[in-house]
Amino acid sequence: GIQVEQSPPDLILQEGANSTLRCNFSDSVNNLQWFHQNPWGQLINLFYIPSGTKQNGRLSATTVATERYSLLYISSSQTTDSGVYFCAVERSGNTPLVFGKGTRLSVIA
Amino acid sequence: EAQVTQNPRYLITVTGKKLTVTCSQNMNHEYMSWYRQDPGLGLRQIYYSMNVEVTDKGDVPEGYKVSRKEKRNFPLILESPSPNQTSLYFCASSLSLGEKLFFGSGTQLSVL
Repeated sequence: GIQVEQSPPDLILQEGANSTLRCNFSDSVNNLQWFHQNPWGQLINLFYIPSGTKQNGRLSATTVATERYSLLYISSSQTTDSGVYFCAVERSGNTPLVFGKGTRLSVIA
Repeated sequence: EAQVTQNPRYLITVTGKKLTVTCSQNMNHEYMSWYRQDPGLGLRQIYYSMNVEVTDKGDVPEGYKVSRKEKRNFPLILESPSPNQTSLYFCASSLSLGEKLFFGSGTQLSVL
């Protein structure tokens, strides 16, 4: 099946710093989504981005489908950004989303 | 408010005692699915449903059952729970497969 690798596995930032999280996948995909799991365990959908670039406030994401990677940018990080960020991909219709292992982000004041 | 509702939030049970975790969505979504999350293994899909009366196995279906009799509900059934099913469970839904996925708040299950 398709492999999804996220890097780095762990990241510690000072509040106000910027960061880039990466998601590599091993096959062409129809669907790619980024999620944030907050310290209370809730999973929030950040982006639905099978290709191109999207922005939402301090967060933006870019997927280069032809090169099989996606990037999540967090600017001016805040302590509320802490948690685990997951990338998930779907290879084709009728196949379920496959999740990466996540990047654990800790933002310290 | 559009949401996916799971119950209960926490559940402690004993080996072999049948249990059901409920999941309901109010967004008229066709696609629903169940995941379990374990340390070091990430999120793995248990079962999914493309529509009413249509269900299929995910990556880790052993020991679980599901049903989709109504569009809004997708319960997860553990007929005879075992300790290796101790995990954090999430229900999710989307308009259809391949669309933006929305998660419930999770159910932390402990099987003693």
